[in-house]
Amino acid sequence: DIQMTQSPSSVSASVGDRVTITCRASQGISSWLAWYQQKPGTAPKLLIYPASSLQSGVPSRFSGSGSGTDFTLTISSLQPEDFATYYCQQAHSFPITFGQGTRLEIK
Amino acid sequence: QVQLQESGPGLVKPSQTLSLTCTVSGGSISSGNYYWNWIRQPAGKGLEWLGRIYTSGNTIYSPSLKSRVTISVDTSKNQFSLKLTSVTAADTAVYYCARAISGTDAFDIWGQGTMVTVSS
Repeated sequence: DIQMTQSPSSVSASVGDRVTITCRASQGISSWLAWYQQKPGTAPKLLIYPASSLQSGVPSRFSGSGSGTDFTLTISSLQPEDFATYYCQQAHSFPITFGQGTRLEIK
Repeated sequence: QVQLQESGPGLVKPSQTLSLTCTVSGGSISSGNYYWNWIRQPAGKGLEWLGRIYTSGNTIYSPSLKSRVTISVDTSKNQFSLKLTSVTAADTAVYYCARAISGTDAFDIWGQGTMVTVSS
């Protein structure tokens, strides 16, 4: 199985801050990486797939980059609605696997 | 607008079989353009992909659960289902059904999730 490791596990930030979350795959996955946002009590929402392609309707302050084993999700200017948990997911091979999540909290 | 809705018992006894159904509305499950998946999330933990069914009826499962999981489809009802046998407390989780677009393995539409507790 491909292991996905996110860092940090949690981060505190303020509205307006720039935040970067990192995801590392245990083997190369090309650009077959998705990012999701999950708010408490709700299902995850697809933000980016593949690695740098923003899904329709997702604000442009979100961006993704990387290929191979190292990927980043950046939020350029945090808004109140962005405080949530973020997950990466590899879509390269079965079984499909997710990172452990990064909790983005208000400072 | 396609929507997915999970349904099934919220409480299952240990060693019994967990059975859930996902109803697809706003579109046909028979469309060859999509794959249909089950994903779960224990409370306070991360996401685990369980398996998938294609419109052909072919399935692929997570190796960690392969011996216990079965996914099936009922096109007449626009539904797909999950069965997980011999459950234990470790199977307690929120279970989601989710759609992936053909040719991708990212999940663009999710159900709201249903909590299943394994307890006697």
